[in-house]
Amino acid sequence: AQSVTQLGSHVSVSEGALVLLRCNYSSSVPPYLFWYVQYPNQGLQLLLKYTSAATLVKGINGFEAEFKKSETSFHLTKPSAHMSDAAEYFCAVRGGGGSQGNLIFGKGTKLSVKP
Amino acid sequence: NAGVTQTPKFRILKIGQSMTLQCAQDMNHNYMYWYRQDPGMGLKLIYYSVGAGITDKGEVPNGYNVSRSTTEDFPLRLELAAPSQTSVYFCASRPLRDSGGEEWEFFGPGTRLTVL
Repeated sequence: AQSVTQLGSHVSVSEGALVLLRCNYSSSVPPYLFWYVQYPNQGLQLLLKYTSAATLVKGINGFEAEFKKSETSFHLTKPSAHMSDAAEYFCAVRGGGGSQGNLIFGKGTKLSVKP
Repeated sequence: NAGVTQTPKFRILKIGQSMTLQCAQDMNHNYMYWYRQDPGMGLKLIYYSVGAGITDKGEVPNGYNVSRSTTEDFPLRLELAAPSQTSVYFCASRPLRDSGGEEWEFFGPGTRLTVL
């Protein structure tokens, strides 16, 4: 069965610093992986997705993630944090393998950005 | 397009009351979902639907019911509200894979429900 684990429920960085949010997945088949962002009191918005094409995926707002099969990881990065990046970030994998299963979410990582 | 809309935004229920959370989408998506979000727990799937007239249970369906009579609407029914159902509820929709490659879930703004 597919699952994701997000390391760190809370990450704090200074404005301008590197953002690194960790996600490890478990899947017996090539996974479809996603990062979503949730701003306070809003719904979830897709940041980026990996669907077996390029291993380095670029998303919105300067975020990117690299799929590493050997490490079963899909960490989210951004070179320079901005105050507007403060939000909760969710990693998700499509369950059941393939492109049609339901999303299985990690528990989320709350990102704080200090001025 | 309005995308995925949910009503109400907030609601307070007493134990044992019933209510329906409304969800609608105007993107002609086949798949629709209901999730609940509790602090520190991520999102858990309650029910989903692959098209009008077809629904199925997710991970946490107890205490809820759904129906899907049209492509656009996917209401979630709570029959006997309990404090354990205090949560934020999100509706989402997704097209079939062959709809231009946009195969990800689009989420509504959520309904915050408190059961006292």
